[in-house]
Amino acid sequence: SAVISQKPSRDICQRGTSLTIQCQVDSQVTMMFWYRQQPGQSLTLIATANQGSEATYESGFVIDKFPISRPNLTFSTLTVSNMSPEDSSIYLCSVVWGASGELFFGEGSRLTVL
Amino acid sequence: QKEVEQNSGPLSVPEGAIASLNCTYSDRVSQSFFWYRQYSGKSPELIMSIYSNGDKEDGRFTAQLNKASQYVSLLIRDSQPSDSATYLCAATSGGSYIPTFGRGTSLIVHP
Repeated sequence: SAVISQKPSRDICQRGTSLTIQCQVDSQVTMMFWYRQQPGQSLTLIATANQGSEATYESGFVIDKFPISRPNLTFSTLTVSNMSPEDSSIYLCSVVWGASGELFFGEGSRLTVL
Repeated sequence: QKEVEQNSGPLSVPEGAIASLNCTYSDRVSQSFFWYRQYSGKSPELIMSIYSNGDKEDGRFTAQLNKASQYVSLLIRDSQPSDSATYLCAATSGGSYIPTFGRGTSLIVHP
């Protein structure tokens, strides 16, 4: 499987600030996604990161709040803008790898907003 | 609305026993099914995928798929305390690579 690196692994931020999470994959991948996992909850898809074009957002998520970049097939960023305590979550980068369509996750970025 | 349902647990089993984790899905055309293990504070790790009716074995893990009844299960034989984690079931359908995840079942294997 692909090796997926995320940073930061964790951060504590102040309300109203923004944080950018980076995701680096060791191989070129077509499909890359960003998920959120709130405490005690399952995974919620935020958006599909499209290489060279605007991300495709799921219902309830908007570009102004979660801008995403994907300049090439190995790298993406997710920014959490104007943070509030409700944004405290684990943010996960994931990629589809191989012909079987299996989804693999990065280590996650644990964000705490005070 | 595609749904994947799991009992949140916790499911508690003694060491050495068989742990049975179950999952049902609502979308009849779901095609691919996955089991992920997530340790506390860690990201999900893919442990099994299954695409056809029947059983698929990998070491101590067996995934079982019954499309007619729309359920998929994961059996863990000879359960170890290190198997204690949350197990997430996921399903894809309609040619999409994006799975729908269940809420996960917490498994506790006690010595």
